[in-house]
Amino acid sequence: GAGVSQSPSNKVTEKGKDVELRCDPISGHTALYWYRQSLGQGLEFLIYFQGNSAPDKSGLPSDRFSAERTGGSVSTLTIQRTQQEDSAVYLCASSYTSGALYGYTFGSGTRLTVV
Amino acid sequence: AQSVTQLGSHVSVSEGALVLLRCNYSSSVPPYLFWYVQYPNQGLQLLLKYTSAATLVKGINGFEAEFKKSETSFHLTKPSAHMSDAAEYFCAVTFTGTASKLTFGTGTRLQVTL
Repeated sequence: GAGVSQSPSNKVTEKGKDVELRCDPISGHTALYWYRQSLGQGLEFLIYFQGNSAPDKSGLPSDRFSAERTGGSVSTLTIQRTQQEDSAVYLCASSYTSGALYGYTFGSGTRLTVV
Repeated sequence: AQSVTQLGSHVSVSEGALVLLRCNYSSSVPPYLFWYVQYPNQGLQLLLKYTSAATLVKGINGFEAEFKKSETSFHLTKPSAHMSDAAEYFCAVTFTGTASKLTFGTGTRLQVTL
Protein backbone atom coordinates (compact mmCIF):
# COMPACT_ATOMS: atom_id res chain seq x y z
CA GLY A 1 0.00 0.00 0.00
CA ALA A 2 0.93 3.66 -0.15
CA GLY A 3 1.62 3.93 3.56
CA VAL A 4 1.67 2.03 6.81
CA SER A 5 -1.88 1.24 7.84
CA GLN A 6 -2.91 0.58 11.44
CA SER A 7 -6.24 -0.58 12.76
CA PRO A 8 -8.25 0.20 14.70
CA SER A 9 -7.39 3.87 15.03
CA ASN A 10 -9.01 3.94 18.46
CA LYS A 11 -9.77 1.15 20.89
CA VAL A 12 -11.45 1.36 24.26
CA THR A 13 -11.35 -1.82 26.30
CA GLU A 14 -12.14 -2.92 29.81
CA LYS A 15 -9.39 -3.80 32.19
CA GLY A 16 -8.59 -7.49 31.99
CA LYS A 17 -9.68 -7.94 28.38
CA ASP A 18 -7.34 -8.94 25.55
CA VAL A 19 -6.79 -6.65 22.56
CA GLU A 20 -5.25 -7.08 19.13
CA LEU A 21 -3.73 -4.25 17.18
CA ARG A 22 -2.99 -4.63 13.49
CA CYS A 23 -0.29 -3.17 11.28
CA ASP A 24 -0.11 -3.36 7.49
CA PRO A 25 3.37 -2.29 6.38
CA ILE A 26 4.38 -0.82 3.06
CA SER A 27 4.64 -3.48 0.40
CA GLY A 28 8.25 -4.57 -0.01
CA HIS A 29 9.37 -3.39 3.41
CA THR A 30 11.09 -6.28 5.15
CA ALA A 31 11.44 -4.66 8.57
CA LEU A 32 8.55 -3.83 10.89
CA TYR A 33 8.64 -2.11 14.27
CA TRP A 34 6.22 -1.50 17.11
CA TYR A 35 6.54 1.45 19.46
CA ARG A 36 4.45 2.70 22.36
CA GLN A 37 3.87 6.37 23.10
CA SER A 38 2.48 7.09 26.51
CA LEU A 39 1.06 10.47 27.50
CA GLY A 40 3.84 12.94 28.11
CA GLN A 41 6.56 10.45 27.25
CA GLY A 42 8.67 9.63 24.26
CA LEU A 43 8.46 6.60 22.05
CA GLU A 44 9.27 3.32 23.68
CA PHE A 45 10.53 0.51 21.46
CA LEU A 46 8.59 -2.72 21.83
CA ILE A 47 9.58 -5.22 19.14
CA TYR A 48 10.92 -5.46 15.65
CA PHE A 49 10.81 -8.01 12.85
CA GLN A 50 13.38 -8.29 10.07
CA GLY A 51 12.60 -10.71 7.27
CA ASN A 52 12.68 -14.31 8.47
CA SER A 53 14.99 -13.60 11.40
CA ALA A 54 13.91 -14.11 14.97
CA PRO A 55 12.24 -10.90 16.19
CA ASP A 56 13.94 -8.58 18.64
CA LYS A 57 11.53 -8.68 21.59
CA SER A 58 13.78 -6.82 23.96
CA GLY A 59 11.35 -3.93 24.44
CA LEU A 60 8.23 -5.85 25.38
CA PRO A 61 7.32 -4.67 28.90
CA SER A 62 5.83 -7.93 30.16
CA ASP A 63 4.76 -11.38 29.06
CA ARG A 64 1.26 -10.01 28.53
CA PHE A 65 2.58 -8.47 25.33
CA SER A 66 3.26 -10.50 22.21
CA ALA A 67 3.45 -9.90 18.50
CA GLU A 68 3.58 -11.91 15.36
CA ARG A 69 4.15 -11.21 11.72
CA THR A 70 2.54 -13.53 9.24
CA GLY A 71 3.96 -14.11 5.81
CA GLY A 72 6.48 -11.34 6.27
CA SER A 73 3.75 -8.75 5.94
CA VAL A 74 0.91 -7.98 8.35
CA SER A 75 1.73 -7.84 12.05
CA THR A 76 -0.51 -8.16 15.08
CA LEU A 77 0.38 -6.88 18.53
CA THR A 78 -1.59 -8.64 21.26
CA ILE A 79 -1.97 -7.41 24.81
CA GLN A 80 -3.50 -9.90 27.21
CA ARG A 81 -5.32 -9.01 30.43
CA THR A 82 -4.99 -5.31 29.74
CA GLN A 83 -4.14 -2.92 32.56
CA GLN A 84 -4.75 0.80 32.81
CA GLU A 85 -1.05 1.49 32.40
CA ASP A 86 -1.30 -0.07 28.94
CA SER A 87 -3.25 2.98 27.78
CA ALA A 88 -1.10 4.63 25.11
CA VAL A 89 -0.75 5.18 21.40
CA TYR A 90 0.79 2.18 19.69
CA LEU A 91 2.75 3.08 16.58
CA CYS A 92 3.92 0.77 13.85
CA ALA A 93 6.68 1.53 11.36
CA SER A 94 8.21 -0.30 8.45
CA SER A 95 11.37 0.04 6.40
CA TYR A 96 13.48 -1.58 3.75
CA THR A 97 16.24 -3.87 4.98
CA SER A 98 18.34 -0.99 6.15
CA GLY A 99 16.04 1.42 7.84
CA ALA A 100 19.05 3.48 8.79
CA LEU A 101 19.74 4.25 5.14
CA TYR A 102 16.26 4.29 3.66
CA GLY A 103 14.23 5.63 6.55
CA TYR A 104 11.27 4.43 8.51
CA THR A 105 7.63 5.11 7.65
CA PHE A 106 5.21 5.34 10.54
CA GLY A 107 1.52 4.64 10.65
CA SER A 108 -0.95 6.96 12.38
CA GLY A 109 -1.16 4.70 15.39
CA THR A 110 -3.80 2.99 17.49
CA ARG A 111 -4.93 4.88 20.57
CA LEU A 112 -5.68 2.32 23.26
CA THR A 113 -7.68 3.31 26.31
CA VAL A 114 -8.12 0.81 29.11
CA VAL A 115 -11.01 1.66 31.45
CA ALA B 1 24.40 1.50 23.73
CA GLN B 2 22.90 4.42 21.91
CA SER B 3 20.70 7.20 23.20
CA VAL B 4 19.55 10.72 22.46
CA THR B 5 18.80 13.54 24.84
CA GLN B 6 16.51 16.39 23.92
CA LEU B 7 17.00 19.46 26.05
CA GLY B 8 13.77 21.23 26.81
CA SER B 9 10.44 19.45 26.77
CA HIS B 10 8.72 22.69 25.77
CA VAL B 11 10.02 25.51 23.60
CA SER B 12 8.07 28.65 22.79
CA VAL B 13 9.02 31.09 20.04
CA SER B 14 7.35 34.01 18.37
CA GLU B 15 6.23 33.75 14.79
CA GLY B 16 9.16 34.79 12.59
CA ALA B 17 11.78 34.00 15.22
CA LEU B 18 14.54 31.43 15.01
CA VAL B 19 13.64 27.89 16.01
CA LEU B 20 16.34 25.88 17.79
CA LEU B 21 15.57 22.42 19.15
CA ARG B 22 18.47 20.65 20.80
CA CYS B 23 19.49 17.02 20.48
CA ASN B 24 22.62 15.32 21.80
CA TYR B 25 23.40 11.71 21.04
CA SER B 26 25.46 8.94 22.51
CA SER B 27 26.64 6.14 20.26
CA SER B 28 29.65 3.86 20.28
CA VAL B 29 29.56 3.53 16.49
CA PRO B 30 28.90 6.08 13.75
CA PRO B 31 25.28 7.10 14.17
CA TYR B 32 22.46 7.75 11.81
CA LEU B 33 20.32 10.56 13.17
CA PHE B 34 16.78 11.59 12.44
CA TRP B 35 14.32 14.32 13.28
CA TYR B 36 10.62 13.51 13.19
CA VAL B 37 7.63 15.79 13.66
CA GLN B 38 4.28 14.75 15.10
CA TYR B 39 1.21 16.92 14.64
CA PRO B 40 -1.74 16.37 16.97
CA ASN B 41 -3.43 13.01 16.54
CA GLN B 42 -1.13 12.03 13.72
CA GLY B 43 1.79 9.67 13.23
CA LEU B 44 5.42 10.65 12.88
CA GLN B 45 6.65 12.40 9.77
CA LEU B 46 10.31 12.44 8.80
CA LEU B 47 11.78 15.94 8.71
CA LEU B 48 15.35 15.06 7.84
CA LYS B 49 18.08 12.50 8.41
CA TYR B 50 21.84 12.35 8.69
CA THR B 51 23.43 9.30 7.11
CA SER B 52 27.16 10.19 7.14
CA ALA B 53 27.14 12.27 3.98
CA ALA B 54 26.96 16.06 4.33
CA THR B 55 27.02 17.23 7.92
CA LEU B 56 24.48 19.98 7.21
CA VAL B 57 21.22 18.35 6.33
CA LYS B 58 18.25 20.16 4.85
CA GLY B 59 14.78 18.81 5.35
CA ILE B 60 11.20 19.64 4.64
CA ASN B 61 9.36 22.79 5.67
CA GLY B 62 12.56 24.85 5.83
CA PHE B 63 14.16 22.88 8.66
CA GLU B 64 17.80 21.91 8.77
CA ALA B 65 20.17 20.23 11.20
CA GLU B 66 23.92 20.06 11.54
CA PHE B 67 25.79 16.98 12.68
CA LYS B 68 28.66 17.99 14.98
CA LYS B 69 30.72 15.00 16.01
CA SER B 70 32.90 17.01 18.39
CA GLU B 71 29.82 18.14 20.29
CA THR B 72 27.82 14.91 19.74
CA SER B 73 24.95 17.13 18.68
CA PHE B 74 22.33 17.23 15.97
CA HIS B 75 20.31 20.36 16.68
CA LEU B 76 17.31 21.26 14.54
CA THR B 77 16.89 24.81 13.31
CA LYS B 78 14.59 26.94 11.21
CA PRO B 79 15.31 30.61 10.53
CA SER B 80 11.73 31.82 10.81
CA ALA B 81 8.96 30.06 12.68
CA HIS B 82 5.45 29.74 11.29
CA MET B 83 2.32 29.04 13.26
CA SER B 84 2.03 25.76 11.36
CA ASP B 85 5.31 24.57 12.91
CA ALA B 86 3.61 24.06 16.25
CA ALA B 87 3.99 20.33 16.93
CA GLU B 88 6.08 17.82 18.84
CA TYR B 89 9.56 17.08 17.54
CA PHE B 90 11.53 13.92 18.17
CA CYS B 91 15.19 13.24 17.65
CA ALA B 92 16.17 9.61 17.05
CA VAL B 93 19.33 7.57 16.54
CA THR B 94 20.24 4.26 15.01
CA PHE B 95 23.39 2.84 13.51
CA THR B 96 24.57 1.40 10.23
CA GLY B 97 24.03 -2.13 9.15
CA THR B 98 20.86 -4.10 8.78
CA ALA B 99 17.60 -2.66 9.96
CA SER B 100 17.80 -1.78 13.59
CA LYS B 101 15.51 -0.02 15.97
CA LEU B 102 15.36 3.72 16.32
CA THR B 103 15.98 5.05 19.78
CA PHE B 104 13.97 8.22 20.38
CA GLY B 105 14.39 11.20 22.61
CA THR B 106 11.54 12.26 24.86
CA GLY B 107 10.40 14.94 22.45
CA THR B 108 10.16 18.72 22.43
CA ARG B 109 6.84 20.45 22.08
CA LEU B 110 7.18 23.62 20.01
CA GLN B 111 4.74 26.43 20.59
CA VAL B 112 4.61 29.34 18.16
CA THR B 113 3.01 32.56 19.36
CA LEU B 114 1.91 35.68 17.51
